Amino acid sequence: AQSVSQHNHHVILSEAASLELGCNYSYGGTVNLFWYVQYPGQHLQLLLKYFSGDPLVKGIKGFEAEFIKSKFSFNLRKPSVQWSDTAEYFCAVSGAGGTSYGKLTFGQGTILTVHP
Amino acid sequence: DVKVTQSSRYLVKRTGEKVFLECVQDMDHENMFWYRQDPGLGLRLIYFSYDVKMKEKGDIPEGYSVSREKKERFSLILESASTNQTSMYLCASSPQGYYGYTFGSGTRLTVV
Repeated sequence: AQSVSQHNHHVILSEAASLELGCNYSYGGTVNLFWYVQYPGQHLQLLLKYFSGDPLVKGIKGFEAEFIKSKFSFNLRKPSVQWSDTAEYFCAVSGAGGTSYGKLTFGQGTILTVHP
Repeated sequence: DVKVTQSSRYLVKRTGEKVFLECVQDMDHENMFWYRQDPGLGLRLIYFSYDVKMKEKGDIPEGYSVSREKKERFSLILESASTNQTSMYLCASSPQGYYGYTFGSGTRLTVV
């Protein structure tokens, strides 16, 4: 069975600090990887996704993530966070094909609080 | 824009009641999913459906059932609500062959 582990439950930063949120997955096959964000009171939104090709993917709002296959990792980064990045972030994985039907397995989530 | 609409934003039900949570999507997506979201546990898959009248159990199906009579609508049913089913319930949909969801706004269910 596939699983996803996010290292940090709660991260607190000041504006302009750099961000890296860890994500490791376990899956016996080719994967698609995602980061979703949930701003306070809003629904989950896709930040970025990796299907194949360049392992460094860029998403919305200046976020990027790097897929390192040998480490089963897909860490999320942003060079300089803003107060508006305060949200909960979820890493997710799906099997790439077969009978997975694209269903996603999510990590536990990381709450990011950015102080002005 | 794809829209996934969940019928209720907040719901309070009594223990033992039968509860229906409705989800409708307007973009002809084949796949639909029900998750529950709990603090510290992330999102856990309850059931999903890849076609009309087709359903598959997710990771935590106990105490739940689903119905998909029409392509656009996917209902989650709590047969006999219990307090441990108090949670945020999220519906999502995706087209066949594409991996990535559009989520609804969620239904926060409280069972008292």
